[in-house]
Amino acid sequence: GQNIDQPTEMTATEGAIVQINCTYQTSGFNGLFWYQQHAGEAPTFLSYNVLDGLEEKGRFSSFLSRSKGYSYLLLKELQMKDSASYLCAVDSGYALNFGKGTSLLVTP
Amino acid sequence: EAGVTQFPSHSVIEKGQTVTLRCDPISGHDNLYWYRRVMGKEIKFLLHFVKESKQDESGMPNNRFLAERTGGTYSTLKVQPAELEDSGVYFCASSQDLGREVYNEQFFGPGTRLTVL
Repeated sequence: GQNIDQPTEMTATEGAIVQINCTYQTSGFNGLFWYQQHAGEAPTFLSYNVLDGLEEKGRFSSFLSRSKGYSYLLLKELQMKDSASYLCAVDSGYALNFGKGTSLLVTP
Repeated sequence: EAGVTQFPSHSVIEKGQTVTLRCDPISGHDNLYWYRRVMGKEIKFLLHFVKESKQDESGMPNNRFLAERTGGTYSTLKVQPAELEDSGVYFCASSQDLGREVYNEQFFGPGTRLTVL
């Protein structure tokens, strides 16, 4: 079976740094994606990791440890517009297996 | 470039009725996926088309769901007859086929919110 866990909710202050963790147990692994989803909108791609280590893209970074089945998404210099749901998804073949998402609230 | 579009954005129907959801992928994307998010749960895979062929339909809940992609362009997902537990948001995604050596980013549509009363 597939099991992908991430915290349900997080709150952080504008300008701060927040780390959203994701642990996974899947029958296959072709990479791990992070998506951002604002309410009522399409999930949009943020990052992809297939090898261990850190991938940096502007204010967003994503880390992967395949041996630990662990990833995190790091958001720096938080802005109000970063309030959204962040979805961790594992590619176990051709399909994506999603976690339930972490709802991030950025406060002034 | 237009993104993935879905129609309708919302649908409210009564139990036992039929509903057809439509997805138009990004032009040139051979891969098309259907996903569903039931309230309080994670987004779950339903099926995957490569052009007009069903590559994987292991996520389809039961035979009340029928997906088609005639001509390999847009796709429809029909639910007949609809049940209360079918309520949720149905997402469509598409991707290019760049081979297994690189990741094929899936681009998602905004979803269709289905409510079965």
